[in-house]
Amino acid sequence: SQQGEEDPQALSIQEGENATMNCSYKTSINNLQWYRQNSGRGLVHLILIRSNEREKHSGRLRVTLDTSKKSSSLLITASRAADTASYFCAPFTGNQFYFGTGTSLTVIP
Amino acid sequence: NAGVTQTPKFQVLKTGQSMTLQCAQDMNHNSMYWYRQDPGMGLRLIYYSASEGTTDKGEVPNGYNVSRLNKREFSLRLESAAPSQTSVYFCASMGQYNSPLHFGNGTRLTVT
Repeated sequence: SQQGEEDPQALSIQEGENATMNCSYKTSINNLQWYRQNSGRGLVHLILIRSNEREKHSGRLRVTLDTSKKSSSLLITASRAADTASYFCAPFTGNQFYFGTGTSLTVIP
Repeated sequence: NAGVTQTPKFQVLKTGQSMTLQCAQDMNHNSMYWYRQDPGMGLRLIYYSASEGTTDKGEVPNGYNVSRLNKREFSLRLESAAPSQTSVYFCASMGQYNSPLHFGNGTRLTVT
């Protein structure tokens, strides 16, 4: 399988703490994207990082990409209870996205 | 703009029945995708359509057919439903190459 793999599978933190999720993948990519899914809803795009980029920021989100290690990380700073959701990485190559099984994040108020 | 609209939201089928899941997007996107999501399995690609008039198999196409009716609509058909097809189905679309996916809210299908 060419799926992305997120680590950890589950993460529980206190509100205000930072949350870090990691993603590994197996193939060369055009870009890597991170998505969020609230329970019972569709996925929502968070951030896209291209293969020639190493770091990208968007609000409280910071994404890194290391193509030599085929890995990416998503950092959410100053977490809030509303950040509780599942987070998926999606390496993109050809015309396909290769979603992993996700990291379930719980932020405790 | 409604984005990506999927119908129905919920469906219960008996084994052997057929049905079509509908998906429409109003963003003039070229590419459209059908995924299924099962617990512990993440999202798996069933079929995709890179542009109007083309369709390609994804990771798990068996038991499904698709039609890219026009640029807006991409339907998924189950000809003879099986309990293994119980899942949540998501449709998504993408505009330009190398841009984000936009998802619908899903269809929860149960096959008994």
